[in-house]
Amino acid sequence: GDSVTQMEGPVTLSEEAFLTINCTYTATGYPSLFWYVQYPGEGLQLLLKATKADDKGSNKGFEATYRKETTSFHLEKGSVQVSDSAVYFCALSDQDTGNQFYFGTGTSLTVIP
Amino acid sequence: DGGITQSPKYLFRKEGQNVTLSCEQNLNHDAMYWYRQDPGQGLRLIYYSQIVNDFQKGDIAEGYSVSREKKESFPLTVTSAQKNPTAFYLCASSLVSLPRYEQYFGPGTRLTVT
Repeated sequence: GDSVTQMEGPVTLSEEAFLTINCTYTATGYPSLFWYVQYPGEGLQLLLKATKADDKGSNKGFEATYRKETTSFHLEKGSVQVSDSAVYFCALSDQDTGNQFYFGTGTSLTVIP
Repeated sequence: DGGITQSPKYLFRKEGQNVTLSCEQNLNHDAMYWYRQDPGQGLRLIYYSQIVNDFQKGDIAEGYSVSREKKESFPLTVTSAQKNPTAFYLCASSLVSLPRYEQYFGPGTRLTVT
């Protein structure tokens, strides 16, 4: 079945450091891929998405490229800020499995000044 | 402002009581979803609805019930049959239930059952 695997946390970085959060997926069809962010005590907010292979999603300095050959959708940011501290979820939606969303377990990021 | 509202933000109940969590959206979205979030486990789908008066079970529907009488509303009832109901519950909606359409989430309700 479909699934998403993302790197275990927690991740702690200094301000202005480079961020990578790895995400790989398994899907029966051709999924759309998403990154969501969750701040403490809140719901999830869409950060970026990509709907086909080689698409790059980007928002607020974050980027992720849909790599079909490696079934990956890694999240990157060149210079993190304290305000980026949150939990990040990778997710996929696949028409072959009824368009349900499958979420990774989340990666907690803490950025220290 | 368009969005999804969930109420209340915190809910406390005694074991053996049913409790209903509210979810309302004014985005004119057709599809609505309920998820449960536990620490370290990501989100798990409880129920979803793609159209009024129709809904389907997700991965962990046992002990929960829903209704979809209006497009804007998708309340979730946590029944006494749910063995471990304490969790953070998230409601979401999407324009249609298709892969390229993202889901929009409400702020969540934290339910504590003692």
